Amino acid sequence: TQLLEQSPQFLSIQEGENLTVYCNSSSVFSSLQWYRQEPGEGPVLLVTVVTGGEVKKLKRLTFQFGDARKDSSLHITAAQPGDTGLYLCAGDSGNTGKLIFGQGTTLQVKP
Amino acid sequence: NAGVTQTPKFQVLKTGQSMTLQCAQDMNHEYMSWYRQDPGMGLRLIHYSVGAGITDQGEVPNGYNVSRSTTEDFPLRLLSAAPSQTSVYFCASSQRGTGGQPQHFGDGTRLSIL
Repeated sequence: TQLLEQSPQFLSIQEGENLTVYCNSSSVFSSLQWYRQEPGEGPVLLVTVVTGGEVKKLKRLTFQFGDARKDSSLHITAAQPGDTGLYLCAGDSGNTGKLIFGQGTTLQVKP
Repeated sequence: NAGVTQTPKFQVLKTGQSMTLQCAQDMNHEYMSWYRQDPGMGLRLIHYSVGAGITDQGEVPNGYNVSRSTTEDFPLRLLSAAPSQTSVYFCASSQRGTGGQPQHFGDGTRLSIL
């Protein structure tokens, strides 16, 4: 059974701080996606990484796919209250459309 | 463009009752999936489909049935509801393809089993 271990599960920080969320597995994934979910809504895709070592930036968010395609990280620079939400990583092992999700990271950014 | 539409948004059932959660997408996506979301466990795949007439089990299929008679619709049936099935259920759709096609999620059905 493939597993994605996401850490930390909860993070409460002050506005302006930096943070990193990790997503680790012993399995290789063909692609890894990061989603953000607001209360009462479904997850919304932030980014997809497909190449080992790939780095993608989305404003203050930086996403990295590990060289072996087994892990990924999300780094937020100068967090803002608007970044508050649930962040989920999800891996696809064979372009099947079947995603394995991590447990999620609940981020609270206090003003 | 409605995207993925789930109905109902909320439902309360008694143990042993059956019901169908509806999911419809208007993006002509081939792949559709059902997930359940429980606190601290992320989303877990229940069933998925790669096209009309084709379905397969995910991680947690027991107690649920699906069918895919059209590209647009992918209903999830609870055969005999149990308290352990209290959860938030999400339907998602995506295009067939390589490179990690993004999944489009509905807003969920919040289901309580008493």
